[in-house]
Amino acid sequence: DTGVSQNPRHKITKRGQNVTFRCDPISEHNRLYWYRQTLGQGPEFLTYFQNEAQLEKSRLLSDRFSAERPKGSFSTLEIQRTEQGDSAMYLCASSQDRPYGYTFGSGTRLTVV
Amino acid sequence: DQQVKQNSPSLSVQEGRISILNCDYTNSMFDYFLWYKKYPAEGPTFLISISSIKDKNEDGRFTVFLNKSAKHLSLHIVPSQPGDSAVYFCAASSGGSNYKLTFGKGTLLTVNP
Repeated sequence: DTGVSQNPRHKITKRGQNVTFRCDPISEHNRLYWYRQTLGQGPEFLTYFQNEAQLEKSRLLSDRFSAERPKGSFSTLEIQRTEQGDSAMYLCASSQDRPYGYTFGSGTRLTVV
Repeated sequence: DQQVKQNSPSLSVQEGRISILNCDYTNSMFDYFLWYKKYPAEGPTFLISISSIKDKNEDGRFTVFLNKSAKHLSLHIVPSQPGDSAVYFCAASSGGSNYKLTFGKGTLLTVNP
């Protein structure tokens, strides 16, 4: 078990393109979270899965964003028609069924040019 | 609105001295508080937490104090070490089963040898 893995680490894309990020949580963790962090800010909650069910989505997650967690294992976050404002660090975290103290991955840094 | 506030963007301390990082919150529904540490190019790492039913929690060199009436918490690191240099985020949760966290903007701690 090597912790939460996120790929790619960096992504540069042109405005209007679609991008997809992947998160592999710690294997026994049933909860998975996506957060977004922009420069000078703390991480902001985007969405949460318990097993394969997406149970909550932030209003930050516009209809251009979609997240999946098929079979309750890895998760993907897709951004369609990227905009410059989507440039940020996208963080994935996972936890077991206990409160708090989740384990974060190293993040995917997205730059939209 | 910023529900979790870290008003000091940065703090510089001499090695061996005490570091005190502060955090204020506005949401009375928050009942669990955490501190995360973040190095550049890595995800946040869980450091220490405290439930709202306590006023102090200690783990080695790290102690978190909670003053519910003032809606204020602080992280004390003693003695500070150069390896403690990082960005520290305060985070809070309002309960429920999703364990969603609201983060402050972070404080950059620099411990000088």
